[in-house]
Amino acid sequence: DSGVTQTPKHLITATGQRVTLRCSPRSGDLSVYWYQQSLDQGLQFLIQYYNGEERAKGNILERFSAQQFPDLHSELNLSSLELGDSALYFCASYGTGNGYTFGSGTRLTVV
Amino acid sequence: QQQVKQSPQSLIVQKGGISIINCAYENTAFDYFPWYQQFPGKGPALLIAIRPDVSEKKEGRFTISFNKSAKQFSLHIMDSQPGDSATYFCAASKGGGGSNYKLTFGKGTLLTVNP
Repeated sequence: DSGVTQTPKHLITATGQRVTLRCSPRSGDLSVYWYQQSLDQGLQFLIQYYNGEERAKGNILERFSAQQFPDLHSELNLSSLELGDSALYFCASYGTGNGYTFGSGTRLTVV
Repeated sequence: QQQVKQSPQSLIVQKGGISIINCAYENTAFDYFPWYQQFPGKGPALLIAIRPDVSEKKEGRFTISFNKSAKQFSLHIMDSQPGDSATYFCAASKGGGGSNYKLTFGKGTLLTVNP
């Protein structure tokens, strides 16, 4: 157990739908990063939050959004889903001295 | 634009052999270079990392070699074991890999170690 918890582990949904992925960072870590892993693009950085504030944006589509709550858990919202959004979505938390720790991911399948 | 290029895509090694995976980067601002190991159904896990002030770092059977002038770094796995079979990712970051800096990943190498 890495200490980073992601739910759900698997998600199957139809095109056009909206889903929410949840991440609880390792205890004490203030930074949360979201990454998308697909076969063709590899691991791509989506967005980072630090203590509730957005700090950096990567290749995140406008249909996607995220937030970090006061208890430091984060949610990634994916809307108007397309077949191409099928991928593994990882969150990672960062702590001084511990570096980055990844969760086990959410496998999203859009049908 | 792929800022970190990783090769080979796949690698098959016999038990006891040496596995070598190479990465090249473009952004000279990168100053933290970790390697991650990923097993099926799991997230990437940090294996070993290096900063550009040293040319080599060794932890057990795993060694990173770093060539700053060539903007290349590589992972060597000595005495490879079947349990090392996994996907390996190189990555790079600015700011020493601190909390405000994202990781840029290579596309991964699928390592298979045959018994």
